[in-house]
Amino acid sequence: GENVEQHPSTLSVQEGDSAVIKCTYSDSASNYFPWYKQELGKGPQLIIDIRSNVGEKKDQRIAVTLNKTAKHFSLHITETQPEDSAVYFCAADPSGYSTLTFGKGTMLLVSP
Amino acid sequence: DVKVTQSSRYLVKRTGEKVFLECVQDMDHENMFWYRQDPGLGLRLIYFSYDVKMKEKGDIPEGYSVSREKKERFSLILESASTNQTSMYLCASTAGLSYNSPLHFGNGTRLTVT
Repeated sequence: GENVEQHPSTLSVQEGDSAVIKCTYSDSASNYFPWYKQELGKGPQLIIDIRSNVGEKKDQRIAVTLNKTAKHFSLHITETQPEDSAVYFCAADPSGYSTLTFGKGTMLLVSP
Repeated sequence: DVKVTQSSRYLVKRTGEKVFLECVQDMDHENMFWYRQDPGLGLRLIYFSYDVKMKEKGDIPEGYSVSREKKERFSLILESASTNQTSMYLCASTAGLSYNSPLHFGNGTRLTVT
C-alpha cells in the first residue's frame, strides 16, 4: 500500500518567516495530494491540494509543489502569522476515492 | 457549509465493553470514513463506506466494525474495547472523487479505555 513520509515533525519559526514542510510518497498510482491543517480541539481542514498533472499551485500565502518523478511534494507558507500555528498533515490518494494515506504530521509554531 | 457531527466529544469506557461511536453528516455525501489519530502516527484509516449497507476495510480494521443503515449516519463499533484502542477517532465524509470533493472531518471523539 501507499506510504507517506513527512518532515519535519516540529517546526518553529518567527512571525514573518517562511515555513516549508516536505513529504514523500511511495505509490506511483497516487494522483491527488491534499494538505490539511488541524487546530487544537478541531478536526483537520483542507487548506490546499494538488493533482498529479500540475507542478505547483498557490493560494495567497500558501503554495504546494509536486515532483512526480521524485515522488516529493511540499507545502510552503510565506509571511507566517501566529494563527498559522497548528498541526499540518500531507496525504496521498492512490485510489481517487479519498482513501487517503496521511503523513505523521508537522507541528508548526509561529512565535510573535 | 458541510457539517460532520460526532455525537460525543469525550468517552470513557471499561475494558471489554461494547462501544458505539456515532457520526452524522448533513450534506447527502455518498462516502464516509473513520480514522484513528495517535501522536506520532498521524491518521490511519479504519473503515469506509461508499453507500448504505456497504463497508470496506481500511488499513487497521482489527478490533472494529462499522454500520451504515442510513446515508447520513456511519457508526464505528468496538466489539470489546481494549486499552490499546484509547485514541482520538475522526469521522469524515465526501461526495465523490477526491479531487472534486475533499474530505470533511468532524471534530473527533476522544476515547479512553480503562
